[in-house]
Amino acid sequence: NAGVTQTPKFQVLKTGQSMTLQCAQDMNHNSMYWYRQDPGMGLRLIYYSASEGTTDKGEVPNGYNVSRLNKREFSLRLESAAPSQTSVYFCASSETSRVNTEAFFGQGTRLTVV
Amino acid sequence: GQQVMQIPQYQHVQEGEDFTTYCNSSTTLSNIQWYKQRPGGHPVFLIQLVKSGEVKKQKRLTFQFGEAKKNSSLHITATQTTDVGTYFCAGNNFNKFYFGSGTKLNVKP
Repeated sequence: NAGVTQTPKFQVLKTGQSMTLQCAQDMNHNSMYWYRQDPGMGLRLIYYSASEGTTDKGEVPNGYNVSRLNKREFSLRLESAAPSQTSVYFCASSETSRVNTEAFFGQGTRLTVV
Repeated sequence: GQQVMQIPQYQHVQEGEDFTTYCNSSTTLSNIQWYKQRPGGHPVFLIQLVKSGEVKKQKRLTFQFGEAKKNSSLHITATQTTDVGTYFCAGNNFNKFYFGSGTKLNVKP
């Protein structure tokens, strides 16, 4: 039981390049999230998906797109990377139909945009 | 929009001293969760509080949820070096988790 798996773990991009961060969960959770973590800023919600086929903007969605391909997978795409998008990105999932809605996080993707 | 403020940003304590971090939300929350992130790691769930005025304990950790469901605290009694990390609160509103900025705890042996 792997939990939440993110790929890649590390990535360096040049300004203007595009890339997709992949996330998959094997816990049959309905909700999935993408966060970015910057020093002193905590975790900020980029996008949220309550179920397959639905997505919703979070606190900092500009410059990102997401796809909830199926119940397991939720990808984050940077169409034209900027240095301000240098950050650690975390994917998370939770089962929001239950009383205890704890979020399970992936190991993170450390992205540097030069 | 949703805002969750957390203080202090940093706390350095001597092993054996107590530690408290505080979390305040600009809106009423359906529940609040606490997470711990070790250096270089990912956030790991500690606990969830749902009821107004709720208090929960996990060994040396005590969690409180305010009466108005807008504030919360985490208190660690007699810190140990294994408590080192960043502690985050996360307010849950309509199943979106909004995290505080975290309190980074350093414990000197």
